[in-house]
Amino acid sequence: AQSVTQPDIHITVSEGASLELRCNYSYGATPYLFWYVQSPGQGLQLLLKYFSGDTLVQGIKGFEAEFKRSQSSFNLRKPSVHWSDAAEYFCAVGSGYTGGFKTIFGAGTRLFVKA
Amino acid sequence: GAVVSQHPSRVICKSGTSVKIECRSLDFQATTMFWYRQFPKQSLMLMATSNEGSKATYEQGVEKDKFLINHASLTLSTLTVTSAHPEDSSFYICSASVPQDGADTQYFGPGTRLTVL
Repeated sequence: AQSVTQPDIHITVSEGASLELRCNYSYGATPYLFWYVQSPGQGLQLLLKYFSGDTLVQGIKGFEAEFKRSQSSFNLRKPSVHWSDAAEYFCAVGSGYTGGFKTIFGAGTRLFVKA
Repeated sequence: GAVVSQHPSRVICKSGTSVKIECRSLDFQATTMFWYRQFPKQSLMLMATSNEGSKATYEQGVEKDKFLINHASLTLSTLTVTSAHPEDSSFYICSASVPQDGADTQYFGPGTRLTVL
């Protein structure tokens, strides 16, 4: 069965420091991978997605993610974190099935940014 | 990018009443919409997939008679929580898929906070 694991429940980073959020997936075929961000009390915003091609994907707000098939990983990175990046981050894998498509979300990683 | 709205953003109701939540795609047509439920500090749980003009597909364990979904047009899906009880209190989020963005990329609404007293 398809699954997504985000090993870190929460991470604290100093403003200006680099960030890496981990994501591992389990999927039988080539996965469609997503990273979403959720601010408190809000819906989810798509940061970036990977379908095929270049394994390093650029997203919005200065984020990037790298797909590593050998490690079944799709880690999210940002070189310099801003206080406004504090939020919940969800990794997700798209799972096709007969007649449709379904997205499976990881448990999320909450990012805290300290001054 | 594609914009999805939800209404209301917050609703408080008495136990036993029904509540309707609307999900609209504002600048695109969505043949497929999804309804999720999110408990505090937890991930999103898919409740059902809503296809325009047909019956919704519910996930295992979701009561279809309690959570009525209607997708009557290409821009509107509604979720009605019938005979709501305090345990139905949650954050409900809808999304709409945009196939032309590749692999059914989903765009999410801002969510509806339901509190049942």
